[in-house]
Amino acid sequence: NAGVTQTPEFQVLKTGQSMTLQCAQDMNHEYMSWYRQDPGMGLRLIHYSVGAGITDQGEVPNGYNVSRSTTEDFPLRLLLAAPSQTSVYFCASSPSRLYGANVLTFGAGSRLTVL
Amino acid sequence: GIQVEQSPPDLILQEGANSTLRCNFSDSVNNLQWFHQNPWGQLINLFYIPSGTKQNGRLSATTVATERYSLLYISSSQTTDSGVYFCAVEEEGNKLVFGAGTILRVKS
Repeated sequence: NAGVTQTPEFQVLKTGQSMTLQCAQDMNHEYMSWYRQDPGMGLRLIHYSVGAGITDQGEVPNGYNVSRSTTEDFPLRLLLAAPSQTSVYFCASSPSRLYGANVLTFGAGSRLTVL
Repeated sequence: GIQVEQSPPDLILQEGANSTLRCNFSDSVNNLQWFHQNPWGQLINLFYIPSGTKQNGRLSATTVATERYSLLYISSSQTTDSGVYFCAVEEEGNKLVFGAGTILRVKS
């Protein structure tokens, strides 16, 4: 039981390049989400999904796309990378999507630098 | 949206000391969680505590939902307690909102 697995751990991109951060969970969790963490700002929600085929925007969705074709996987795509997207990205999942019952388990994070 | 404020922003303790971290939130919530981020960046869920009190070893948490705050107590602190402590509350629509965190440094 690996929990929440994120790849890659580190990535350096040039401005304008695109890439996908991978997130997979093996706990059969309904709910999955992506956060970014910047110094002094806590974690901010980018996108989330309450089940396969269902995604929605969080607080800071611009510049990112997501899809949820299976229960296990929730990739985050950066379309045209910008230096403002330099951050640490965390994927998290929860067994329940019910309001009030969302208890998160986090992946180890992906550290992205955009030059 | 809901606002989450944590205090203090920074805290330095001598090993063995006790501490209290506070989380204030601006609206009623059905979900509040405390997380610890260790110096290597790993985020661990400490408590799911929308109301009441829970204890886990040297850590305990209390949420007074009617007064919109939660407290995290750390007793007999150890150097391994160092890191950042976050509280997060859930807005309607499955969105967890995080505070900015409290940076804790425990010195030996």
